[in-house]
Amino acid sequence: EPEVTQTPSHQVTQMGQEVILRCVPISNHLYFYWYRQILGQKVEFLVSFYNNEISEKSEIFDDQFSVERPDGSNFTLKIRSTKLEDSAMYFCATQGPTRGRGEQYFGPGTRLTVT
Amino acid sequence: RKEVEQDPGPFNVPEGATVAFNCTYSNSASQSFFWYRQDCRKEPKLLMSVYSSGNEDGRFTAQLNRASQYISLLIRDSKLSDSATYLCVVGYNNNDMRFGAGTRLTVKP
Repeated sequence: EPEVTQTPSHQVTQMGQEVILRCVPISNHLYFYWYRQILGQKVEFLVSFYNNEISEKSEIFDDQFSVERPDGSNFTLKIRSTKLEDSAMYFCATQGPTRGRGEQYFGPGTRLTVT
Repeated sequence: RKEVEQDPGPFNVPEGATVAFNCTYSNSASQSFFWYRQDCRKEPKLLMSVYSSGNEDGRFTAQLNRASQYISLLIRDSKLSDSATYLCVVGYNNNDMRFGAGTRLTVKP
């Protein structure tokens, strides 16, 4: 069964450093998402991406965040200057080629720890 | 008001019990509805979509009431493996999803 993969599984970084989280979507999926989940809290939407551009972003997704699909397969989330409060689990999710009621499939997540 | 609200839980039930989870959402423009389950420190996994007519998948039954902006999930004959956090998820026009905080279920022998 096709699955979404994410790397790294765990990233430890110092405050102020840049991090790039990577996701490989399911091959025929066209809609991509990033979510975060702070430990013990709910899953929060960050951004959605379709046709090489952001289609929606939340208030969490400020200028420190960016996304891109550099090579047509990987989908990345970059945090330019990490803060302590960025420590969380970051999930990539992807959705199939048809818009509408499509379900999203989540990767296993990257645990980001900012020290 | 939170966009998606769920029973706070936790629910602790014996094997074989029937348990019901409720969820309400605030945005009447919501178009798609799902239940996901999340095991500890794992990613959310789709359990089932929720349709206006209600739908059933084995021991799981989901209901949607658009007028009341209410979604439910019923689990019959609960198993130990059903222990998880159940997430109510609501989608909008562009399929951006909003998650409830989740309800933790523990099924005990």
